[in-house]
Amino acid sequence: DARVTQTPRHKVTEMGQEVTMRCQPILGHNTVFWYRQTMMQGLELLAYFRNRAPLDDSGMPKDRFSAEMPDATLATLKIQPSEPRDSAVYFCASGLTGKGTEAFFGQGTRLTVV
Amino acid sequence: SQKIEQNSEALNIQEGKTATLTCNYTNYSPAYLQWYRQDPGRGPVFLLLIRENEKEKRKERLKVTFDTTLKQSLFHITASQPADSATYLCALGGNNRLAFGKGNQVVVIP
Repeated sequence: DARVTQTPRHKVTEMGQEVTMRCQPILGHNTVFWYRQTMMQGLELLAYFRNRAPLDDSGMPKDRFSAEMPDATLATLKIQPSEPRDSAVYFCASGLTGKGTEAFFGQGTRLTVV
Repeated sequence: SQKIEQNSEALNIQEGKTATLTCNYTNYSPAYLQWYRQDPGRGPVFLLLIRENEKEKRKERLKVTFDTTLKQSLFHITASQPADSATYLCALGGNNRLAFGKGNQVVVIP
């Protein structure tokens, strides 16, 4: 049963700490999205990768956020230093290149920064 | 600025009736539009895709229309069931982006 796997599922951290979220895309998928979801803003696109290359990270606060794909089976999203306003659910999604590619979402990482 | 608007008020509907949701957008020229379902505590799940040159798509009890002149998509659930209760999100795609609306909650009352 192919699925996108995100770890951790929940994370509580203190302000100022580094947070790393990990995502294993579905094998064979060549696009990866990172989204942040809050009640106020809904789903916001943070970064988009195709064939491991970042194509769009304009939605990501550059001073504290970074996204990478060290290899085809792992995508990471780091926040350093974390702030209370970063509290949200972070979703990773993967898909195949093509017009109208369907995005398969993981279960999300619920981040709470206190 | 770019906006994707969905009704923030939950839609309460009697079982068996048709639920209709609206997605309006401004300052976008999407190549395609998608609808997703999201249940509490879970990630969105893809339901349907409609391309810019298509007017209507159907899948089982679901129907989507896409009017690029009005900049609007309608999403219909016919013969609604309590299991259809969820939040439904529209997403606009193109130019390496997939941008989502905030979603519209549907509650199907038995």
